[in-house]
Amino acid sequence: DTAVSQTPKYLVTQMGNDKSIKCEQNLGHDTMYWYKQDSKKFLKIMFSYNNKELIINETVPNRFSPKSPDKAHLNLHINSLELGDSAVYFCASSQGGRGGGLTEKLFFGSGTQLSVL
Amino acid sequence: RKEVEQDPGPFNVPEGATVAFNCTYSNSASQSFFWYRQDCRKEPKLLMSVYSSGNEDGRFTAQLNRASQYISLLIRDSKLSDSATYLCVVNSGNQFYFGTGTSLTVIP
Repeated sequence: DTAVSQTPKYLVTQMGNDKSIKCEQNLGHDTMYWYKQDSKKFLKIMFSYNNKELIINETVPNRFSPKSPDKAHLNLHINSLELGDSAVYFCASSQGGRGGGLTEKLFFGSGTQLSVL
Repeated sequence: RKEVEQDPGPFNVPEGATVAFNCTYSNSASQSFFWYRQDCRKEPKLLMSVYSSGNEDGRFTAQLNRASQYISLLIRDSKLSDSATYLCVVNSGNQFYFGTGTSLTVIP
């Protein structure tokens, strides 16, 4: 069974559309994340949720709205897509605990390659 | 200043070579440290955690120097399958910080 699964794997869409990416983890982790990896391959944190509560919200346009219906799911909805949103989006999870800790490790989904035309 | 800095490379080495990557971090209160491996078009995967005493996993050795705030990864007897991008990751509080990654290509 896949530990962190996200769908779709590929998403091709026109500028101005609204799209969603779904993520689910079956590891029993409390914390989930969304990362963006652009063409320069740098991984940037976008959001982090701990037990359905938003704890990190980096400088991301408010066209991006994360939603966590329960601690095993963190979906990402993007409104009014722009060319610059084209990237690979990775969902990840870690065991949890707001203070981090020596046992914290990140587990990633396989990524969603978003192409905005 | 970036939280985590590493040389992007690329490193091109022959099979069997030994190669070392370094990474520095800015927050002295950082709690845990990792090396992740990312293959082209795939997700990053944990290669190994890095402990203060240093740790080894087969051909891979990781070291942490808290005083100088740097982390290293040594790969001995490089294999073609080691070709990938190696990401230095630091956990500070509730956040993971990534380096830009170091690209390694092992050449036959």
